[in-house]
Amino acid sequence: GAGVSQSPRYKVAKRGQDVALRCDPISGHVSLFWYQQALGQGPEFLTYFQNEAQLDKSGLPSDRFFAERPEGSVSTLKIQRTQQEDSAVYLCASSLDSTREEGVSVTDTQYFGPGTRLTVL
Amino acid sequence: GQNIDQPTEMTATEGAIVQINCTYQTSGFNGLFWYQQHAGEAPTFLSYNVLDGLEEKGRFSSFLSRSKGYSYLLLKELQMKDSASYLCAPLVDSSYKLIFGSGTRLLVRP
Repeated sequence: GAGVSQSPRYKVAKRGQDVALRCDPISGHVSLFWYQQALGQGPEFLTYFQNEAQLDKSGLPSDRFFAERPEGSVSTLKIQRTQQEDSAVYLCASSLDSTREEGVSVTDTQYFGPGTRLTVL
Repeated sequence: GQNIDQPTEMTATEGAIVQINCTYQTSGFNGLFWYQQHAGEAPTFLSYNVLDGLEEKGRFSSFLSRSKGYSYLLLKELQMKDSASYLCAPLVDSSYKLIFGSGTRLLVRP
């Protein structure tokens, strides 16, 4: 079946502009993640959704970053008043489920989309 | 805090074997993932270890020692297409949060 898709693949924004990045997870995947990847670095966790609930947003770098997943499927990462330091690749990943049942962690592999490369001028 | 350490770059010859090491210090531990990432592409899943020992999957094997905070990825019969970055990612604190190292760029030469 189809993997995780993201759009746009490339986005150029002028400093101060708002941008919206879209993620379509694998159908049926409960969990959705956003990561930020700077050049030459590994991805850094931004936020995590389980269905429509945003359970962890500890990685969002500032209040200019906002993510939503209103119907528990497609997610949008919005960045307001973009700054040059926001330039990076934004990766979305989904997994079937990542829940804790009776004290036992249930871990599912996260499958990544191709990312959106954001360049802020 | 979280600390993951991998070599920045490695070079190997086509057909050879290469071992990519990863050491980690994390708050909580629920297993460790290895991902492969070609330039400009998405990370793709290679392996997941939660118990100590070696997991073999074709040309790729991954080893974990929880007591030592150490893992390695072993690639056999290297092919040119194996030139990529290899990301070590412990799962920490919870059952979902991956903490990635900076990755090891592997260059396979003819």
